[in-house]
Amino acid sequence: DVKVTQSSRYLVKRTGEKVFLECVQDMDHENMFWYRQDPGLGLRLIYFSYDVKMKEKGDIPEGYSVSREKKERFSLILESASTNQTSMYLCASSFDVETQYFGPGTRLLVL
Amino acid sequence: SQQGEEDPQALSIQEGENATMNCSYKTSINNLQWYRQNSGRGLVHLILIRSNEREKHSGRLRVTLDTSKKSSSLLITASRAADTASYFCATYTPLVFGKGTRLSVIA
Repeated sequence: DVKVTQSSRYLVKRTGEKVFLECVQDMDHENMFWYRQDPGLGLRLIYFSYDVKMKEKGDIPEGYSVSREKKERFSLILESASTNQTSMYLCASSFDVETQYFGPGTRLLVL
Repeated sequence: SQQGEEDPQALSIQEGENATMNCSYKTSINNLQWYRQNSGRGLVHLILIRSNEREKHSGRLRVTLDTSKKSSSLLITASRAADTASYFCATYTPLVFGKGTRLSVIA
């Protein structure tokens, strides 16, 4: 079974802090994705990566950056956390451009 | 936005009844997928239907696709309380998700 893990289930940070959200997959997938999910807005794509050291902006990249130094790991970085980045963050990976496998999510609260 | 739209936003049914959710999208697709999300968890892939398919079954799930109407439906037959979740359709590459249908199955 594919396993996608996220470093934290719950996270509380202060405004202005630098925040790292880590995602690791164990199936040698090429593609990895970061989404945020907010009530009434559904899932929105922040960034994705089709290969190591490659990254592509999604629909809402502002205020975020990513790092993909190894194939199995895709990190989402909030350079200076703000309250409007309070959200549920979901990581996913896929072998092809079809089925995605999701991690359990990280619920981030920025105070 | 290319985001798909699920309809209804929320659905409440009795255990044993069938649940039908619809999805509409805007431009041509290669395939359409349905995912399920239990409260506060990640999404789980349910089924994928390709653009040249009209209907697909998986257990109690039945998915239809009408490319001329740019719409799909997900039918869950003989629903159970454990089917209570949010259901999302997703299209395009990379995947674009709708806002989901919240299904409540009352025992």
